[in-house]
Parts: sequence; structure tokens; C-alpha cells
Amino acid sequence: AQSVAQPEDQVNVAEGNPLTVKCTYSVSGNPYLFWYVQYPNRGLQFLLKYITGDNLVKGSYGFEAEFNKSQTSFHLKKPSALVSDSALYFCAVRDHTGRRALTFGSGTRLQVQP
Amino acid sequence: DAGVTQSPTHLIKTRGQQVTLRCSPKSGHDTVSWYQQALGQGPQFIFQYYEEEERQRGNFPDRFSGHQFPNYSSELNVNALLLGDSALYLCASSLEQQSYGYTFGSGTRLTVV
Repeated sequence: AQSVAQPEDQVNVAEGNPLTVKCTYSVSGNPYLFWYVQYPNRGLQFLLKYITGDNLVKGSYGFEAEFNKSQTSFHLKKPSALVSDSALYFCAVRDHTGRRALTFGSGTRLQVQP
Repeated sequence: DAGVTQSPTHLIKTRGQQVTLRCSPKSGHDTVSWYQQALGQGPQFIFQYYEEEERQRGNFPDRFSGHQFPNYSSELNVNALLLGDSALYLCASSLEQQSYGYTFGSGTRLTVV
């Protein structure tokens, strides 16, 4: 069975500082990995995905993530946080087989202080 | 280009009742998946529809059922509602030939009282 762990319920960072939101995963074979952001009372907004190729993936709004196969991690990063980045962030995984369901982590709330 | 459209946005039902939620996929997409997001949790996969058939199902009871129509839109039905069914229900669409490109709707907030 596939699973995702987001070990931090909340991450606090000052505006302008770099941010990291952690994600580790477990899946059979090679993974598809995703990051989504959710604002209050809204659906999920796609940030970036890793399918294959370069381990460093660049996505929307200046976010990037690094795929590390040996550590089974896919941490989300941004060089300089904005107050508007404050939201709930979800990491998700699925495998390359016919099983198409995404498995999500429990989410990490990012709070960027002015 | 319209994204995923879900209706209604909010719904209040009484325990024991039945509910139907609707989803129109993004233009060009042919696959629809449904997820349940309880308060404070990540989304949980309910099932996926492709070619009007349920292709994959998560760990949800038979009270949860669905349908996909020839125009690729989909419905999620929940019978005999329980208080624990209160959640945000998310629909995601994708294209079978590019199965990792998911687009999520804004969801339907279901409250069971």
C-alpha cells in the first residue's frame, strides 16, 4: 500500500525567509509525486509534480521540490516566503501502475509572519 | 477553458437521508475521481470513473456510489447519511492518456445534522 507522511502539522516562517515543507512517501516501484495547496473553504490547487527526469522540479508561484529516491522524500521549498503563501499544503503520491488513486498526506499548515 | 465544476457548493442534510453531488470535468478530460476530505485531514480516495464504469474504489462502504455519464460528468451518491459523512467532497478530473494531470474542483461541503 502506498502512503505519505507529512511530519509537521504546522510550519512557521518569517516573510522573506526560505521555507521547507517536508514529505516522505512509500510506494511500490517508481512514484508520481505531487504538491497541492488549499486555501480556506477552497479546493486543491496544483503546485508541481514529479513524474520522471530531473530530481529538482519547479512549479507555480516560485515553489520547487526535490525528489530524493534514496530518502523517499519530496520536500517542498521556496527561497523567499510571502505572507500570501500561508495556506494548507498537501503532498500526494501514486504509483505507475493501473491504480490511479492519489494518496495524500495529512497536510501541513504554513504560516508566514509579516 | 472551464476547470472542474462541482455543485452544489454547500449542502445540509439530515442523518439517514440520501444526497447526490455533481461534477463536470475540465474540458477535454475523460476520467473523474472523487475524494472525501474530513475536517483537519487529507483527502481520501472514494472511487474513479472512466468510460462510464467504476474502475477503482477506495475503502468506502457501499453506501457510496457513483455514476459517469456519456459527456464525462459524474455524480456521487451517498445513502443513509451518517454524521461522520460530513466533509468536503472533491472531484478531480484527468485525461486517461495523461493520467497524472489531475485538476480538482472547489468541492461540495456536506454537513449532516
